[in-house]
Formats: sequence, structure tokens, C-alpha cells
Amino acid sequence: DAKTTQPPSMDCAEGRAANLPCNHSTISGNEYVYWYRQIHSQGPQYIIHGLKNNETNEMASLIITEDRKSSTLILPHATLRDTAVYYCIVRAQGDTGTASKLTFGTGTRLQVTL
Amino acid sequence: DAGVTQSPTHLIKTRGQQVTLRCSPISGHKSVSWYQQVLGQGPQFIFQYYEKEERGRGNFPDRFSARQFPNYSSELNVNALLLGDSALYLCASSLFGADTQYFGPGTRLTVL
Repeated sequence: DAKTTQPPSMDCAEGRAANLPCNHSTISGNEYVYWYRQIHSQGPQYIIHGLKNNETNEMASLIITEDRKSSTLILPHATLRDTAVYYCIVRAQGDTGTASKLTFGTGTRLQVTL
Repeated sequence: DAGVTQSPTHLIKTRGQQVTLRCSPISGHKSVSWYQQVLGQGPQFIFQYYEKEERGRGNFPDRFSARQFPNYSSELNVNALLLGDSALYLCASSLFGADTQYFGPGTRLTVL
């Protein structure tokens, strides 16, 4: 799996958009970009994933650059409950019988403040 | 629908003992993966099972073993516990091995 680089920490004011960057310059053509977050001592929560097109769901938006070497996770209106460690992971998505692990780095610790 | 469930929530053992952790996947999911998360680090992959067969193994000693049952639930066993095995053990389920993984709340293991 390709390696990702994320800033160790970021701050965001409540109600503002939180933009979390991720670099994955060695990503392969069949590798997806996944985002998870982990609130203190809980299991990681799946947020969103994408291959090359921008994606949006009820939680967040994922913007992937055209060369796919970097991406940004956007939380449009951050709340205090969004304070967590956010992990950007690149991962091949194979067929039914393929094993595929998630390789977690150290992530970005997002602190949302009043 | 119920998410991934894990039991027990917390566990305290002493060095040299053996422990069994349990995981029930989301209904319809046939793959279970196990991860270990030591304090201050990201989760590390231990095993992945799909259709009751081991499909992947991380860099963990043979003291770690797992199995998946016909109902797709899974157990993780750790023998001869060391202090360094103290961690949050996470189970994730997915439709198949390479699909999106959804995590349970974890089992916090403390080895004294």
C-alpha cells in the first residue's frame, strides 16, 4: 500500500469548514483513498472513499487532485463532536477473494474549538 | 441495523495467561479483520478472514491466532501474554476482503 503524509495536528473553529490535506504521491492506479476518524478510545469510523472523482456524503466531501497525488477531506461545518484523529489511507480494492488490509499512519489530530 | 460488536469491552490479564476476544460482524458481511492499537499509535493489521479462511496476516508472532466461524463471527486468541500486548484490539467487518471495513468499539486488554 502507498504511504500517506498528513499534518500531525490542525485547529478549526466550530461552524467553519475543516479542510484536512493528505499527500499520497506514490498512489497506484487501482488504489482508492479512504478516510477514517477515531474519537478518543473508540473504534475508527469510516467517513468516505474515492478513486479519482470528487465524492460527497452526509458526513464530508473528498476532493482528489487530477494527478491523484493528494486529496483533501472537507467537513463543511465542523462541530465540537468532530474533534478526533483523522486517518487518510490508500488501499487497493480488489475482487471478492482478495485480501486487503488498512495501513494506518499517525493521522491528523483535529481540534474543533468554540 | 446493528454494527460490529465485540466482547468483552475491557479485560485484565497477567503475563503468561491466554486471552480470547470475540467479534460479531455486521449482518451479511463475510469478512472480518483484526487490528491492534497500542496507545499513541494507529491500528496495526493482525489478520483478515473471508469465508472462514485466513486471507491475510500481519507481522505478529505465532502467539496470535484467530478463526472465523460458519456464522462469520470471529475469535482472536493470544497466548503467553506479554506486557507489550496491552492494547485496544479492534475488529472490522466487510462484505468481502477488499471492501470497505467498518470497525467495532474494540476490546481494551491490559496485561499486568
